[in-house]
Amino acid sequence: EAQVTQNPRYLITVTGKKLTVTCSQNMNHEYMSWYRQDPGLGLRQIYYSMNVEVTDKGDVPEGYKVSRKEKRNFPLILESPSPNQTSLYFCASSETSGWETQYFGPGTRLLVL
Amino acid sequence: TQLLEQSPQFLSIQEGENLTVYCNSSSVFSSLQWYRQEPGEGPVLLVTVVTGGEVKKLKRLTFQFGDARKDSSLHITAAQTGDTGLYLCADANAGGTSYGKLTFGQGTILTVHP
Repeated sequence: EAQVTQNPRYLITVTGKKLTVTCSQNMNHEYMSWYRQDPGLGLRQIYYSMNVEVTDKGDVPEGYKVSRKEKRNFPLILESPSPNQTSLYFCASSETSGWETQYFGPGTRLLVL
Repeated sequence: TQLLEQSPQFLSIQEGENLTVYCNSSSVFSSLQWYRQEPGEGPVLLVTVVTGGEVKKLKRLTFQFGDARKDSSLHITAAQTGDTGLYLCADANAGGTSYGKLTFGQGTILTVHP
């Protein structure tokens, strides 16, 4: 089954404790992206990747890192999480660019205390 | 920075009613997408429109793209409880340094009561 998977689905952590949210897709898509969703703000793009080793900033990249060493994986790294990064995070992928149908993962709900 | 404004933010209606939600951009859209998101799930693409003046229909949903490509509307006829969800518009920028960057509106929360 074609899908985007994220892990973990739920995470409670404390300020400053490094964490990684994994994202994997099995559709051989070139484009992958991370978003955060907060009430009243819709989805805001954090980082996106057009292909392996090619990443670029979205609208809210501060406090986040990404890497794209393999086509299928696009982990989101929070080196020193802060409470304002408490949010619902979505990973998405599409065939070649954001123009096309994006397939979203199920989301990761993060609480930073 | 492009800003997408959706209205209304909240919409509560009875089953069978018609409704329209709007999406306006501070700059010309490159490619406009509409998504629906149900609670606990990721957004699902409904439609992509590219050409100014374009109208697309998806069963009871009608999507219209403004001639100047700075606004769009989503009209639902005879709403059903299954239409309940968050409706998001997005612009997929193309060209220049913004290629691949997506900007979303803040969404319209639609609740359809039986």
